[in-house]
Amino acid sequence: EPEVTQTPSHQVTQMGQEVILRCVPISNHLYFYWYRQILGQKVEFLVSFYNNEISEKSEIFDDQFSVERPDGSNFTLKIRSTKLEDSAMYFCASSEGTGRSSYTFGSGTRLTVV
Amino acid sequence: SQQGEEDPQALSIQEGENATMNCSYKTSINNLQWYRQNSGRGLVHLILIRSNEREKHSGRLRVTLDTSKKSSSLLITASRAADTASYFCATDAYSGTYKYIFGTGTRLKVLA
Repeated sequence: EPEVTQTPSHQVTQMGQEVILRCVPISNHLYFYWYRQILGQKVEFLVSFYNNEISEKSEIFDDQFSVERPDGSNFTLKIRSTKLEDSAMYFCASSEGTGRSSYTFGSGTRLTVV
Repeated sequence: SQQGEEDPQALSIQEGENATMNCSYKTSINNLQWYRQNSGRGLVHLILIRSNEREKHSGRLRVTLDTSKKSSSLLITASRAADTASYFCATDAYSGTYKYIFGTGTRLKVLA
């Protein structure tokens, strides 16, 4: 069964450093998303991406965040200057249709900022 | 309250019993989904139910949707220890584009 792949599974970074989280969505999917989940809390929407541009972003997705689909297969989330409060599990998802279709989630990247 | 709130927040049952989790939401929806998350792991899609559907089944899972009450329930029958996980409902929210908004989740513990 097709799956969404995320790498790395766990990343530890120093505060202030840049991190790039990588995702390979399902190949025929057109819509891509990033969500995050702070430990023990709810899953929060960050950003949606379609046709090589951001469709929508949440208040969390400030200027420190950016997304890119550099080569037609990868979908990346960059955090420019990490803060302690960026520590969370980051999930990538893709869907075949619009945001009303079911999403396939990756297994997540656990980001720890120290 | 948030769009998509599960109730109860935590549930502990014996293996073989049924587990029922509820989700309430505030705005109109087109679809509602249920996801499962094992501790520290990814989100696994369980069922999508559309606003014109009232009930869906998948194996031991039964999902109902009452749009007049803006609520959904997930029933797991004959629970197993392996069903221990957090369960989230997600509702599609439209604000220019569609996206799913997750509820707070129910932590289910099935005791062997």
